[in-house]
Amino acid sequence: DTEVTQTPKHLVMGMTNKKSLKCEQHMGHRAMYWYKQKAKKPPELMFVYSYEKLSINESVPSRFSPECPNSSLLNLHLHALQPEDSALYLCASSQVGTGENYGYTFGSGTRLTVV
Amino acid sequence: EDQVTQSPEALRLQEGESSSLNCSYTVSGLRGLFWYRQDPGKGPEFLFTLYSAGEEKEKERLKATLTKKESFLHITAPKPEDSATYLCAVRGLSGGSYIPTFGRGTSLIVHP
Repeated sequence: DTEVTQTPKHLVMGMTNKKSLKCEQHMGHRAMYWYKQKAKKPPELMFVYSYEKLSINESVPSRFSPECPNSSLLNLHLHALQPEDSALYLCASSQVGTGENYGYTFGSGTRLTVV
Repeated sequence: EDQVTQSPEALRLQEGESSSLNCSYTVSGLRGLFWYRQDPGKGPEFLFTLYSAGEEKEKERLKATLTKKESFLHITAPKPEDSATYLCAVRGLSGGSYIPTFGRGTSLIVHP
């Protein structure tokens, strides 16, 4: 299995809703990432998990809460989002250590619209 | 701070018309330069990693090359299915050792 699977593919939520994005990989990668991407912009790093521990939080607002239950799963919990949070949310994974020079494997993303 | 600049921002080609995309970078100790392809509404797809000046990698109609200051993605006889945004990213010694800095991408459209 060489894929990163993200669910749902599309999500519309109100500003008072709570929802979660899910990401799963079975490649044995021990680093997992959440990125946010706006139209015609490069991916913007949000969080990095290494060996299931949060290692980087790029000053993301607390309305985004990541979770890594095990080495294959990564969640992003959403609460009280703003319309400007509407974007494509991408999950990625990679090897760590000697795999630092490997490219990331990205999922297809979740298209989030906040209304 | 690592910096990546891609040019042109957009490129339109006729099918079969070869061209090159540029990725200029500034990095403290290059640990890898990466090319990705991204289709609209999809996640980036990894294409190549280049490590040192003079290195070249090929995949079908794509060939990536690297110098000490820039990388080129050469597209030979492109087809409409090559239409996508091509992203360049670099990893350097500064900051998180496995966190790349992405460029803004080149949007390629190949007309039949």
